[in-house]
Amino acid sequence: SSELTQDPAVSVALGQTVRITCQGDSLRSYYASWYQQKPGQAPVLVIYGKNNRPSGIPDRFSGSSSGNTASLTITGAQAEDEADYYCNSRDSSGNHHVVFGGGTKLTVL
Amino acid sequence: QLQLQESGPGLVKPSETLSLTCTVSGGSISSSSYYWGWIRQPPGKGLEWIGSIYYSGSTYYNPSLKSRVTISVDTSKNQFSLKLSSVTAADTAVYYCARRGTTVTLRVVHYFDYWGQGTLVTVSS
Repeated sequence: SSELTQDPAVSVALGQTVRITCQGDSLRSYYASWYQQKPGQAPVLVIYGKNNRPSGIPDRFSGSSSGNTASLTITGAQAEDEADYYCNSRDSSGNHHVVFGGGTKLTVL
Repeated sequence: QLQLQESGPGLVKPSETLSLTCTVSGGSISSSSYYWGWIRQPPGKGLEWIGSIYYSGSTYYNPSLKSRVTISVDTSKNQFSLKLSSVTAADTAVYYCARRGTTVTLRVVHYFDYWGQGTLVTVSS
């Protein structure tokens, strides 16, 4: 099965732009989805596919993909964006299996 | 508004079987557009996909858990369930149920757009 690799921690100054990355072989064939998780809460989908935002997600969140890397970009990070972020994609085995990245802890300074 | 709610025992003894049910409200589990999944998160750790099921009963399981996992669906009750056998302390986690969508635009993407609040299951004697 595939693996998705994320940096364990990233920090950003308030109002600045930050990119969180996710690497894995499956991303050469499938798009990633991104989730935000705050302490004690269920994950929330923030980006899926090429660059789709569910209703209610601020437009400062965007997604992109190149080669084996997917990226989540937050343009103008806010204090409330401090959270854990997880990527996921379909497994490269191509049979509906799903894999998650290990997560990135985002700190807004 | 679609809602998912996990239910089941919060404490399971080692070697026994963990059983959870997810009740879906505000929408039909029999929608042809979606799969339904279980994801877990050990305390302080990341998310792990357990498996997914279609309303017809087709299932897909994480290979690392496949020998111990059974996911089933009851369309009459708008519910799907998880059974995990021979549990150990390593299975202690918050268990989430979620709806899995798929879009295909150049590439396939699987995404979980609705999640339950999660339920903590502790494996301990």
